[in-house]
Amino acid sequence: GQNIDQPTEMTATEGAIVQINCTYQTSGFNGLFWYQQHAGEAPTFLSYNVLDGLEEKGRFSSFLSRSKGYSYLLLKELQMKDSASYLCAPYAGNNRKLIWGLGTSLGVNP
Amino acid sequence: ETGVTQTPRHLVMGMTNKKSLKCEQHLGHNAMYWYKQSAKKPLELMFVYSLEERVENNSVPSRFSPECPNSSHLFLHLHTLQPEDSALYLCASSQDGQPNYGYTFGSGTRLTVV
Repeated sequence: GQNIDQPTEMTATEGAIVQINCTYQTSGFNGLFWYQQHAGEAPTFLSYNVLDGLEEKGRFSSFLSRSKGYSYLLLKELQMKDSASYLCAPYAGNNRKLIWGLGTSLGVNP
Repeated sequence: ETGVTQTPRHLVMGMTNKKSLKCEQHLGHNAMYWYKQSAKKPLELMFVYSLEERVENNSVPSRFSPECPNSSHLFLHLHTLQPEDSALYLCASSQDGQPNYGYTFGSGTRLTVV
């Protein structure tokens, strides 16, 4: 079957580093997306990992291990505006399907 | 205008009304999507259009009727909805074969059925 597992909620302090983990089971896996969604707004694209390893993009980095069905999003130098939901979404390219979970709600405290 | 634009932002309709949601993308993408987002539930894919042809219909009730007149525009026609259809409806677009650029979402239409 298809399944995504992320923590429901996390909290961290401004300026800190936080790692949001995601494990998944899916068929036809091509890659994995991370999206950020502020309350009441559209999801916005953060990263897309195809190969194993870490990809860094400014304060955000994303890691993928295809063999373990595991990914994480690393947020450095947290800012208050980073308070949002973070959605891990495996992608099956043959049918254009993203598999969505409930995401992780991150709260950043001053 | 840039990105993906959805109108209206908010919509309240009665169960006997007919209304339409509109989506327009200015990114030159060739695939467009309708998603439903309800509280405490994952994003649900409703319809996929690729090159203006519907390629996916995820067992959506017939009271939702999509229309894609060209690669830049997507509509969702609504009629005789139920209160449980109240949700955030998101439109997205992408370029087939280039997932590394991601899916671009519109700001959504917050629909309330009374």
